[in-house]
Amino acid sequence: SYELTQPPSVSVSPGQTARITCSGDALPRKYAYWYQQKSGQAPVLVIYEVNKRPSGIPERFSGSRSGTMATLAISGAQVEDEGDYYCYSTDSDGNVVFGGGTKLTVL
Amino acid sequence: VQVLESGGGLVQPGGSLRLSCAASGFTFSNYAMHWVRRAPGKGLEWVSAISGSGGSTYYADSVKGRFIISRDNSKNTVYLQMNSLRAEDAALYYCAKFPDYNGMDVWGQGTTVTVSS
Repeated sequence: SYELTQPPSVSVSPGQTARITCSGDALPRKYAYWYQQKSGQAPVLVIYEVNKRPSGIPERFSGSRSGTMATLAISGAQVEDEGDYYCYSTDSDGNVVFGGGTKLTVL
Repeated sequence: VQVLESGGGLVQPGGSLRLSCAASGFTFSNYAMHWVRRAPGKGLEWVSAISGSGGSTYYADSVKGRFIISRDNSKNTVYLQMNSLRAEDAALYYCAKFPDYNGMDVWGQGTTVTVSS
């Protein structure tokens, strides 16, 4: 079955750029999306269709893609950006696949 | 724009449960709807989806043959019938409309399913 691979954890100091990667064989042909989830809350969309930012999401969040890897970058990361981040995409059958998630620590 | 899940609870292994998700604030029948779960200590797992018309359904391998997704567009509601429940099905189940071309998505707060004897 199709898999998306993310690092389990990323840690940065406040003000630094955090980069979270998501790798999958179909990513050159399929959109990547990114969700942020904080403890006890529903997921929040931060990037859609590889590099588009939903209304209300700060400009410090950006997305990119190179080959089989999609990347979420948070420029000038803030303590409030801590949480779990998930990429998702679709497989060849149209089924949704989530990455395993990355815990972002900003301290 | 919101969705509200209900129907979670405690069920014994091998038992059944039906989750409901009532939507409002958008043209429900125009959009596919999804169920996503998060088990304790685990990440998000996509469970199932159904097209806007209800004519197409999709399932994760982990639930295929045990769960059935359906919708009633006259009631703006999507359902997840869960049969032959296992301990590993215990999770917080979210109902969601995934992002459209404008990046508009909708998630509920989830309903908790506990599978235990």
